[in-house]
Parts: sequence; C-alpha cells; structure tokens
Amino acid sequence: AQSVTQLGSHVSVSEGALVLLRCNYSSSVPPYLFWYVQYPNQGLQLLLKYTTGATLVKGINGFEAEFKKSETSFHLTKPSAHMSDAAEYFCAVSYSDSGNTPLVFGKGTRLSVIA
Amino acid sequence: GAVVSQHPSRVICKSGTSVKIECRSLDFQATTMFWYRQFPKKSLMLMATSNEGSKATYEQGVEKDKFLINHASLTLSTLTVTSAHPEDSSFYICSARPGSGYTFGSGTRLTVV
Repeated sequence: AQSVTQLGSHVSVSEGALVLLRCNYSSSVPPYLFWYVQYPNQGLQLLLKYTTGATLVKGINGFEAEFKKSETSFHLTKPSAHMSDAAEYFCAVSYSDSGNTPLVFGKGTRLSVIA
Repeated sequence: GAVVSQHPSRVICKSGTSVKIECRSLDFQATTMFWYRQFPKKSLMLMATSNEGSKATYEQGVEKDKFLINHASLTLSTLTVTSAHPEDSSFYICSARPGSGYTFGSGTRLTVV
C-alpha cells in the first residue's frame, strides 16, 4: 500500500535558520510527490511537486525539495526561515497519473519559527 | 488554472440534522472527485472517491449511510452528512485531479452542536 512518513510531528527553528522537513515514501513504482502547506483554519496550498524529470524541484516561497529514489525520500528545505513560514506542512504521494487516483498524505509536520 | 469551489466554508448545525457540502469544478470537468476529512491537528484522511454517474467508493471504516456522496454531473459533487452528531465535527475538503497535479477546495468547517 502507498504510504508516506513524515519524521517529526513538530519542528522548531529560529528565524533565518535552515528549514528541513523530512518525508519518506514507500514505493514499488515511480511516485508523484507533493508538498502542501496549511495555515490555521485554511485549506491546502501547493508548495511544489515532483512528477518526472529534474529531481531537484523548486517551489513557491523559497522552498525546494529533492527526490532521492535510492533513499525513497523527498525532503523539503528552505535556506532561511521566515516567521510567515510557521504552518502545518504535508507531504503527499500518488502512484499513478490517472485522474481517479487520490493523494495519500503524511501525518504532517508543524513548523514553528522562533524570533 | 483549475479551480474547485467548495461551499459552505463554515456551517454550524444541530445534532440530528443533515448538512450538504458542495464541491464544484469551475473550469474543468471532473469525472472523479475525492473527499477528505481532517480532524483538529491531524492529517487528511481520504473518505471516499466519487465518480460521475456511478456510486462512490468509500474507504474502509467510513459509514456510507452517514456520509452520502453524489456526483450527478461532471462539475458537481456533494457530500451530505446525515443525522449529524458532535463527533462528525471536522474539516472536510474536496479535491480533483485535472492534470498531473491536484486541486483542492477551500474546505468546510462543520460544527455540530
């Protein structure tokens, strides 16, 4: 079965510090990988996605993620955290490009940014 | 880009009543839509997959008689929470996949009192 593991339910960083949110997936076929951000009482916003091609994916707000097949990982990074980055982050996976394949989400990581 | 419009954004209802949540694809046709539920401070759990013109496919543990899903057209899917109880209070989100990515509704915060 498809699954996503996000290591660390809560990550706290200082403003200006590196952000690293970890995501590993289980796979028997090439995955489609996504990172979403959710602010309190709001819906989901897509940060970035990997489908095919370049393994280093750049997203919005300075975030990027690298697909590492050998490690089955898709960690999210940002060089310098801003206070506005404080939110819940979800890694998600799909194993097909079919329109009837749902996304499977990780449990989420809450990012806190300390001034 | 592909937009999914979800209404209402918030609803408060009395215990025992039913609530309908609508999800519309505004600029594309969605033969399939997905319904998720999110408990406070938790992840999104897939409830069901709705397919236009046919019965929805429910995930294990989801009561199909409580969470009625209808996908009568290529642009509209509805989730009706029947005989709602306080434990049904949650954040419900719909989604569709118009291409390689997914698009999500803005969610509905249901509170049952």
